[in-house]
Amino acid sequence: LAKTTQPISMDSYEGQEVNITCSHNNIATNDYITWYQQFPSQGPRFIIQGYKTKVTNEVASLFIPADRKSSTLSLPRVSLSDTAVYYCLVATYTGGFKTIFGAGTRLFVKA
Amino acid sequence: EAGVTQFPSHSVIEKGQTVTLRCDPISGHDNLYWYRRVMGKEIKFLLHFVKESKQDESGMPNNRFLAERTGGTYSTLKVQPAELEDSGVYFCASSQVVTATNEKLFFGSGTQLSVL
Repeated sequence: LAKTTQPISMDSYEGQEVNITCSHNNIATNDYITWYQQFPSQGPRFIIQGYKTKVTNEVASLFIPADRKSSTLSLPRVSLSDTAVYYCLVATYTGGFKTIFGAGTRLFVKA
Repeated sequence: EAGVTQFPSHSVIEKGQTVTLRCDPISGHDNLYWYRRVMGKEIKFLLHFVKESKQDESGMPNNRFLAERTGGTYSTLKVQPAELEDSGVYFCASSQVVTATNEKLFFGSGTQLSVL
C-alpha cells in the first residue's frame, strides 16, 4: 500500500503562500494523488487531485515531480479560514480500492 | 444536490448497548465507505461497499461491527455490544467512480460516538 508521510504541523501568517509536501514512495503506476481539507467537526473535503506535473484550480495548486514519489500542495495567500488539517491520499487497488489516510498536516494561520 | 448525510451527529451510550449509525450517500454514488477516527489517532478505513456488495471489509475491527447496505442506497453500521474503545468519530463517504484510483470522495460530517 502507498503510505503517505507529511509534516505534523505548520504555522503561517495571513497572505503568505503555504506549501505542504507529502511523500508517497510506494505509489503505483495507476495511482492518483488527492488532497483533502478538514475543519473541526466536519468530514474531509476534496481540494485537488493530480497524476503528474502540475494541476491548478480555484483553491490550490498541486505539484508532482516526474518520479511521483512526492507531491506538494500550494495554497496561495492563505487566510485565517484556511486553518485546518490537510491530508494527502493515494488510493490503492488491492482487490478493492482502499484509500489510506495519514496523520495529516495541521496548518495554523495567524493574523 | 444533497451531500452525504449521517445520522445521528452525536450518540452517547453505555458500554454493552447497541448503536446503529446511518449514512445516506449522494444519489447515484455506487461507492460507499466507512471510516473511523479514534481520539488522537488517524482516520482509519473500515469498509467499502460497491452498491450493495462489500468490496473490502478488511478494516472492520471485530465481529461486533456489522455494516449493511440493502438495496445499494443508504448504509447502516451497527455496533453490538459497544465497548469503550469504540468511541470516536465515524465518517461515511461516497464516490461515483468505481474502477479507477482517481475517485473523489465526498464525506459526511461524521457521527461522534461516545461509549461510557
